[in-house]
Amino acid sequence: DTGVSQDPRHKITKRGQNVTFRCDPISEHNRLYWYRQTLGQGPEFLTYFQNEAQLEKSRLLSDRFSAERPKGSFSTLEIQRTEQGDSAMYLCASSLEARDTDTQYFGPGTRLTVL
Amino acid sequence: LAKTTQPISMDSYEGQEVNITCSHNNIATNDYITWYQQFPSQGPRFIIQGYKTKVTNEVASLFIPADRKSSTLSLPRVSLSDTAVYYCLVGAPYSSASKIIFGSGTRLSIRP
Repeated sequence: DTGVSQDPRHKITKRGQNVTFRCDPISEHNRLYWYRQTLGQGPEFLTYFQNEAQLEKSRLLSDRFSAERPKGSFSTLEIQRTEQGDSAMYLCASSLEARDTDTQYFGPGTRLTVL
Repeated sequence: LAKTTQPISMDSYEGQEVNITCSHNNIATNDYITWYQQFPSQGPRFIIQGYKTKVTNEVASLFIPADRKSSTLSLPRVSLSDTAVYYCLVGAPYSSASKIIFGSGTRLSIRP
């Protein structure tokens, strides 16, 4: 399977703990996105990388959240001091910069439950 | 921001053609229209993308009128497996990623 992969698929943690998620994009894709999705809502943009550079961050991304994409390949999203409101599905997507389209391909997501 | 408006939900039956319309009155000149499908506990899946007139692929057609202020996703002969949430997005390839808004989508339910 050469699609976007995410690990873990599920994470249950206690409030106050730190968690880290990993995303492996499609290999030739230079753009990588993180989204958060809560029940009944569409994905909400969190942050975006072009190669290793983090170019955009949403206001949703508080200072407890940090994302990295070393070497422009896989990416990690870390949430420090988790809160119950962080419970959501965290989705990663990647795309290949093209002249006239920018179709994003999504991974299966990591479902976070904060107790 | 290029906001979109879709029906919250739609129902149909197996074998029927389903048309889901999306309004995007403030679409910009460089914006494309993209539709995604999402099943429970999965990430969204790209269905189709277009800029104007009509685009067709193996799973759907996308109709875009001349003024581009709306678009219609057409699913021919739906089956139970087409039950999902469908999202309409507008955005330009080199615009801000944060300007691409999914919204709440259209929840399509297909009955036998």
